[in-house]
Amino acid sequence: DGGITQSPKYLFRKEGQNVTLSCEQNLNHDAMYWYRQDPGQGLRLIYYSQIVNDFQKGDIAEGYSVSREKKESFPLTVTSAQKNPTAFYLCASSIEQGGSPLHFGNGTRLTVT
Amino acid sequence: SQQGEEDPQALSIQEGENATMNCSYKTSINNLQWYRQNSGRGLVHLILIRSNEREKHSGRLRVTLDTSKKSSSLLITASRAADTASYFCATALFYNQGGKLIFGQGTELSVKP
Repeated sequence: DGGITQSPKYLFRKEGQNVTLSCEQNLNHDAMYWYRQDPGQGLRLIYYSQIVNDFQKGDIAEGYSVSREKKESFPLTVTSAQKNPTAFYLCASSIEQGGSPLHFGNGTRLTVT
Repeated sequence: SQQGEEDPQALSIQEGENATMNCSYKTSINNLQWYRQNSGRGLVHLILIRSNEREKHSGRLRVTLDTSKKSSSLLITASRAADTASYFCATALFYNQGGKLIFGQGTELSVKP
């Protein structure tokens, strides 16, 4: 079955540590995205990538970094510079960037203490 | 301020009743999409309506779009307990505006059996 896999589902880290969230898709989609969701709020765009080896900052990129070395993979690193990293992180992909429907993974809940 | 704002924030109905959720936005859009999110899971795309369309149906879902009022509504007919979830509208900006998908804060729907 085609889809997006995010791992792990739950992640716990100490303050000051960097942590990398995994996102893999086998839908052959060109575009991939990372969103952050806080309780009772909508999704906010962190980074997106339209094609391999290219990515752009979203609305809340500070304290985050990404790479897109393979079409299938778009890992997100939450750095120690991110002031409020505890959140639910969602990865998504679409056929192309610019209004196509998004397919989402089931998220990673990151807790930093 | 949010591009997409949803109303109501929460809605509780009995099984068999209809549920209506509204979404308002501020700028011109390429299309508008509705998504559903079950608790602790990723979002699932429900329906997309283009800016030149006024109404669209998919099963028990009916979406309307009024570009003059910059608003959309999602109607779920004959609701079921399994429809309990959060529903998000997302507005797709034109490519020359970044082509981004901007999510509202969501409507939490509870359908009581």
